[in-house]
Amino acid sequence: GESVGLHLPTLSVQEGDNSIINCAYSNSASDYFIWYKQESGKGPQFIIDIRSNMDKRQGQRVTVLLNKTVKHLSLQIAATQPGDSAVYFCAENGDFGNEKLTFGTGTRLTIIP
Amino acid sequence: KAGVTQTPRYLIKTRGQQVTLSCSPISGHRSVSWYQQTPGQGLQFLFEYFSETQRNKGNFPGRFSGRQFSNSRSEMNVSTLELGDSALYLCASSRDRATQETQYFGPGTRLLVL
Repeated sequence: GESVGLHLPTLSVQEGDNSIINCAYSNSASDYFIWYKQESGKGPQFIIDIRSNMDKRQGQRVTVLLNKTVKHLSLQIAATQPGDSAVYFCAENGDFGNEKLTFGTGTRLTIIP
Repeated sequence: KAGVTQTPRYLIKTRGQQVTLSCSPISGHRSVSWYQQTPGQGLQFLFEYFSETQRNKGNFPGRFSGRQFSNSRSEMNVSTLELGDSALYLCASSRDRATQETQYFGPGTRLLVL
């Protein structure tokens, strides 16, 4: 079946550095993608989203890049802070009429002070 | 605006029992989805409700069911609990089904089946 996968399960980054989390998806019909952050004991928190008619979207300290040719998206976090330590999930929203989220396995980001 | 709320936050049950979890969406949100999160399977979609109707369903057995009320609040029920049902159950709400709206998650209900 269709799936959304992550390249790296863990990532450690020095505080203040930039981090990049990658995600591959397999459903070429996917047209809406979301990045979530999940801290221990909490539900996933929305970070940023992007639709397939865009290849880049920026938020506060975060940027999402979408490459539809290779079915890949990434989350860039600038000037990482200790509070950025969490598990990050990419999710794909299905087609209209099938709006369920398919999640990747997640990447655990650890910020080293 | 208050976020998605879920009750109870923690629950311990024994095999064979049933359980009902509750979710109150963000005010004005009409779509409610449920997900199961386990270390082994990750986040998996259970079902989605909109205007009191189940619109999408994931690949879970019939022991998992849900409903939505006219005020958009939703409940999910798991009957004949099994050890493998131990998980974090997450509810997410979104504004409308007409477009691909962002889903916002609650804190989850952690269910432990003994």
